[in-house]
Formats: sequence, structure tokens, C-alpha cells
Amino acid sequence: EIVLTQSPATLSLSPGERATLSCRASQSVSSYLAWYQQKPGQAPRLLIYDASNRATGIPARFSGSGSGTDFTLTISSLEPEDFAVYYCQQRSNWPTWTFGQGTKVEIK
Amino acid sequence: QVQLQESGPGLVKPSETLSLTCTVSGYSISSGYYWGWIRQPPGKGLEWIGSIYHSGSTYYNPSLKSRVTISVDTSKNQFSLKLSSVTAADTAVYYCARGVGATGYYFDYWGQGTLVTVSS
Repeated sequence: EIVLTQSPATLSLSPGERATLSCRASQSVSSYLAWYQQKPGQAPRLLIYDASNRATGIPARFSGSGSGTDFTLTISSLEPEDFAVYYCQQRSNWPTWTFGQGTKVEIK
Repeated sequence: QVQLQESGPGLVKPSETLSLTCTVSGYSISSGYYWGWIRQPPGKGLEWIGSIYHSGSTYYNPSLKSRVTISVDTSKNQFSLKLSSVTAADTAVYYCARGVGATGYYFDYWGQGTLVTVSS
């Protein structure tokens, strides 16, 4: 099973700052990686698919990069509504799709 | 606008079978895509349970495969989850979602989720 490790577990930042979230896979997942945002009491929201493609309606301040085993989600300038938990997800060892454990972005 | 809504009992006894249904509106399941179930224990991360292709082919998480059945009813535009022999470890918020992309691995539309508690 491919394990996704997200770091850091918690990121404390202020609005307007840049957020950089990491997702590392235990083996290559090619570019089959997605990112989700989840706020308390809500379902996850798809942000990025295939490592770097923004989903429909996602603001340009969200960007994804990486391939193979190392991936990054960048939020260029944090808005108040961006404070949430972020998960990465892979599909490389189909049909077993796994999620990372999440990174919480909190207000400093 | 595609919408998904989970329904089913919020309380299930240990050793019994958990049954949930997802009703889809704004899109016909028979037209395509994968349709999946994902769960989240309270305060924890996400776990993919399994998915069904619109044609009826199913794909399950190996860790749950022996207990999971996912089916589709295109006439009602619904798909369903059954999880047998439940224990307290199956207590979670259960989400249904539409899977897109290569083998439907990422999920673009989600239901609001339903909490299922396993307790006697």
C-alpha cells in the first residue's frame, strides 16, 4: 500500500501569508495526486487534481506541483476562508486509493 | 448542478449491517463516471471505502473488501453501500461522491455526509 505523509501536521500563519503544504508518497504515484480542503462540519472540496490542475471554480491563489513522490500545495496569499484542513490523495496503486493524514492550516 | 445526498440509519448495532443510499440529482448515473463512498471517523482522516462504475463494476478497499458491497440502481439514480459485521471502529461520517479522472480516483462532487454510530 502506498502511504502518503503530509507535513507539517499544523501550519500557523496569518492572513496574507504564503502557505506551503507537503505530501510525500512512499513510492511513485506519477502525477495521480489530488488535494482537498475540508472545513469543520463540511464535506471535502476538490482543489487540485493530477498534481497541478485546479478544479472548477478554485481561485488562482491555490496551486499544486510535483510528480513521483514529492508534491506541494501552495496558497499564495491566505484569505480568512482558507483556514482549514487539507488532504492529499493518490490513485497510483489502483484500485486502492489512499489519503494523507491531513495538514491543518490555522490562524496564527 | 450535481448534488448527492446520503440517507440511512444513524445508529447500527455491533455485528449488524450498515446500509446507506446516495441519491444523485442533476446528473444521470447511467451516463457515466464512478460513484464512491468515503468515510471519516470522528476527528480523524479520510478513508476510501469503494467505488462503482456506472456500468456496475465495483472496486473496493482491500482492507474492507470482505465486508463491503456497493450497488447501483439507475432507475432511481441511486447507489448504495452495505457494510457487514460492523464494530465500533466503523463509527464515522460516511460520504458519497462522484469519482472522475483516471479510474475515477478524485472526487469532484460530495454529499454532505451522514454520521453512523455503531453502538448497542
